[in-house]
Amino acid sequence: DSGVTQTPKHLITATGQRVTLRCSPRSGDLSVYWYQQSLDQGLQFLIQYYNGEERAKGNILERFSAQQFPDLHSELNLSSLELGDSALYFCASSARGFRSGGHTGELFFGEGSRLTVL
Amino acid sequence: EDKVVQSPLSLVVHEGDTVTLNCSYEVTNFRSLLWYKQEKKAPTFLFMLTSSGIEKKSGRLSSILDKKELFSILNITATQTGDSAVYLCAVDRFYGQNFVFGPGTRLSVLP
Repeated sequence: DSGVTQTPKHLITATGQRVTLRCSPRSGDLSVYWYQQSLDQGLQFLIQYYNGEERAKGNILERFSAQQFPDLHSELNLSSLELGDSALYFCASSARGFRSGGHTGELFFGEGSRLTVL
Repeated sequence: EDKVVQSPLSLVVHEGDTVTLNCSYEVTNFRSLLWYKQEKKAPTFLFMLTSSGIEKKSGRLSSILDKKELFSILNITATQTGDSAVYLCAVDRFYGQNFVFGPGTRLSVLP
């Protein structure tokens, strides 16, 4: 158990709908990352937050948005869903800070939320 | 553009074989290199390498980093079917997007 909790584990929805994926990082971790993994594809970086602020953005679609709340949990919102959005969405957290003086640590991954868009 | 490249992308071996997985990188603000193993679910951490030439070892797995040539290798000796997985290499950076992942090497170990 990595200590990172993601809900829901599975989600089936229809095209055009909107879903919210939730992530609770490991206790004390300030950094949260979201990744998308389509079938047999690598991990595609979506977005990174540090202590409530967005720190880096990857190839995240405009239909997708995310935020990190004061209690450090994070949500990824996916709207106007398309078939191609079907994927495994991972949240990960890290103790490392944004700046070089931060703790050097690895990423801890949640079990993922498997989204199926029909 | 920052990138992490892994080779081979796919590998099939038989139990007992030794395999070497490669990871090369071109990133700015390098901080460390990490290896992860992904089976059906979430990637699990294997090694973190920050210094050149120092081998990290865990059972049958070992890894080493060459910061001059910008690559790392992951060795697995006496492979077992349980080693079948995707092995991901990632580079952590000081600034910007912290962790840049490679595409992974899919290892299949046949009995």
